[in-house]
Amino acid sequence: RKEVEQDPGPFNVPEGATVAFNCTYSNSASQSFFWYRQDCRKEPKLLMSVYSSGNEDGRFTAQLNRASQYISLLIRDSKLSDSATYLCVVNEPGNTPLVFGKGTRLSVIA
Amino acid sequence: DTAVSQTPKYLVTQMGNDKSIKCEQNLGHDTMYWYKQDSKKFLKIMFSYNNKELIINETVPNRFSPKSPDKAHLNLHINSLELGDSAVYFCASSPYLRESFYEQYFGPGTRLTVT
Repeated sequence: RKEVEQDPGPFNVPEGATVAFNCTYSNSASQSFFWYRQDCRKEPKLLMSVYSSGNEDGRFTAQLNRASQYISLLIRDSKLSDSATYLCVVNEPGNTPLVFGKGTRLSVIA
Repeated sequence: DTAVSQTPKYLVTQMGNDKSIKCEQNLGHDTMYWYKQDSKKFLKIMFSYNNKELIINETVPNRFSPKSPDKAHLNLHINSLELGDSAVYFCASSPYLRESFYEQYFGPGTRLTVT
């Protein structure tokens, strides 16, 4: 069974904190990896793709560990506006659908 | 300027009714999808169309029938609605690439409540 597992949280952190989420995937043939963000009662939106070498976009850093089959997302200097659910998403070879994790909820508190 | 739009945004209906949800994308993408997000927030693929052709059909009751009149539109018709159909239904689209690396753009969702 193809699965993407995430800690549902919630992670409650103060403004300015650094927070990290992990996600594990079961299919070693998975080829592409993403983090999506979903605000309450809104649609998911792509936050960043995850490259093999790791990548950074401002305060956000994504890492991929193929050997251990996990993906991480690090958020530095958390802002109130970072409060959302973060979905780990994995794509497998061929015409197969994206597999979404259930999401990790983050609340940044003033 | 909405990239992926869905109508209606909210739908409240009684068990046994038949209803449709419409989706349109103006991104020029070849591939469109329907997802269901239940009360536990789990987002699950239902169908995918590429250029009007069905390419993904996950295990979904045959009361659900997608229809794609052209590559910019993907509608979802649901017959004999049941309480368990209550969920948020998201439409999405993506450019169709042979490689697996692509982004999906989601519509705002249709919140369906079956009473």
